[in-house]
Amino acid sequence: AQSVTQLDSQVPVFEEAPVELRCNYSSSVSVYLFWYVQYPNQGLQLLLKYLSGSTLVESINGFEAEFNKSQTSFHLRKPSVHISDTAEYFCAVTANYGGATNKLIFGTGTLLAVQP
Amino acid sequence: NAGVTQTPKFRVLKTGQSMTLLCAQDMNHEYMYWYRQDPGMGLRLIHYSVGEGTTAKGEVPDGYNVSRLKKQNFLLGLESAAPSQTSVYFCASSYLAGGTNTGELFFGEGSRLTVL
Repeated sequence: AQSVTQLDSQVPVFEEAPVELRCNYSSSVSVYLFWYVQYPNQGLQLLLKYLSGSTLVESINGFEAEFNKSQTSFHLRKPSVHISDTAEYFCAVTANYGGATNKLIFGTGTLLAVQP
Repeated sequence: NAGVTQTPKFRVLKTGQSMTLLCAQDMNHEYMYWYRQDPGMGLRLIHYSVGEGTTAKGEVPDGYNVSRLKKQNFLLGLESAAPSQTSVYFCASSYLAGGTNTGELFFGEGSRLTVL
């Protein structure tokens, strides 16, 4: 079985400062990894994903995450945040079975609070 | 393109009442899921379906039933609501890419249920 740990429940940061949201996972098999973002009163949206290939993946709005197999981590980073980045961020993992019954396991979420 | 649509968006029930949440997707996705979101607990999988006419239990299935009579619809039922089922419920769907379910989910906007 897979599990995800997001140690930080809330990360306050000033606008234009860099930020890192931490995610560690546990799995006995190869995995796919995801970051989802949830803006207030909305559903979750996919931010970025690692399926295979380059371990560094990027989103269209400046976030990036790096898959580190040895440290079982998939931390999310952004060099300069905006007020509009305020949201809850969820890390998620699923086993790379290549089969039909993959289920996504979510972390407990990290609230990114960007202050002016 | 509507994506994933959930109805109703808000509902208040009394303990013991029953209700059904409807999820509809127009993306011809094979897989559909029901999650519940509670503060500090992230998203937990209730039930899921890998195709029309099939359902399976997730992490927290007790007190819920589901049906997938049509590929585009996934219904979540509460036969006898309890205050512990007060939550925000999210429906999601995913697709096969090259015969593999990568686990990338498309979410509805959520249904907020309060059980008094």
